[in-house]
Amino acid sequence: DAGVTQSPTHLIKTRGQQVTLRCSPKSGHDTVSWYQQALGQGPQFIFQYYEEEERQRGNFPDRFSGHQFPNYSSELNVNALLLGDSALYLCASSFQGRNEQFFGPGTRLTVL
Amino acid sequence: AQSVTQLDSQVPVFEEAPVELRCNYSSSVSVYLFWYVQYPNQGLQLLLKYLSGSTLVKGINGFEAEFNKSQTSFHLRKPSVHISDTAEYFCAVSDRTGNQFYFGTGTSLTVIP
Repeated sequence: DAGVTQSPTHLIKTRGQQVTLRCSPKSGHDTVSWYQQALGQGPQFIFQYYEEEERQRGNFPDRFSGHQFPNYSSELNVNALLLGDSALYLCASSFQGRNEQFFGPGTRLTVL
Repeated sequence: AQSVTQLDSQVPVFEEAPVELRCNYSSSVSVYLFWYVQYPNQGLQLLLKYLSGSTLVKGINGFEAEFNKSQTSFHLRKPSVHISDTAEYFCAVSDRTGNQFYFGTGTSLTVIP
C-alpha cells in the first residue's frame, strides 16, 4: 500500500516565477492538507482540501492556491515566488472522522 | 485557535539514558494531541496520538506520552534511548474537527554514544 507521495522531490525557481507541487494521498484517504516547513521551524498549515473544495485555510496570502481532483490527489500552486517561499512543502492525507494525518516526504523548493 | 510550545529546542542525551521532551499547548476547546518524528530529509512520521480515554499513550519505538489537562501538557518520554532515535520531534495539536494542525517549533534530540 503506497503511502503519501509527492512530486517533484526538489525544485529550483527564481523570484517572480510560478510553481506547482503535486500530492497523491494514501489509499483510502479523501482529505489533503498542505504545510510549509521553513528551515529549523515546525510545519505551518497552508490549507486543507476535501471534496474538491478548500475547507480550511491558514495565514497564507492568496499567492498560495490549490486544487483537489476527483481521485483525491491535490496540487499546490504558488505565484510570484519570493525568496521567503523557500521551504519544504509537506502534504498530509487523512480520512474524514479520523484525525491522524499521514505525511509525504515533501518537496524542497528553493527560490533564487 | 490553538498553539503549541516546545520548551527545549535541543536535547542531548547519552545512549540508554531516559529522555523527556516537553510540550505545552493552548486551546479554548477540547483538543487532540500528537507527536511526530522527522528524520533528516524526510517527512513526518506519527509516533503517538491522544484522542480520548487513558491519559497515558503508548506509541511506536518505545515512546510514550502523558496528557495532563490541568497543566495543558503532553510530554514525550522514552526510558532508554538508542542512537537511531536521533531526529527532530514535533508536538502538534488540533481541535476535534481535525481540519487544522498546529505544530511546535520542534525539539532536536541527539543521542550521544
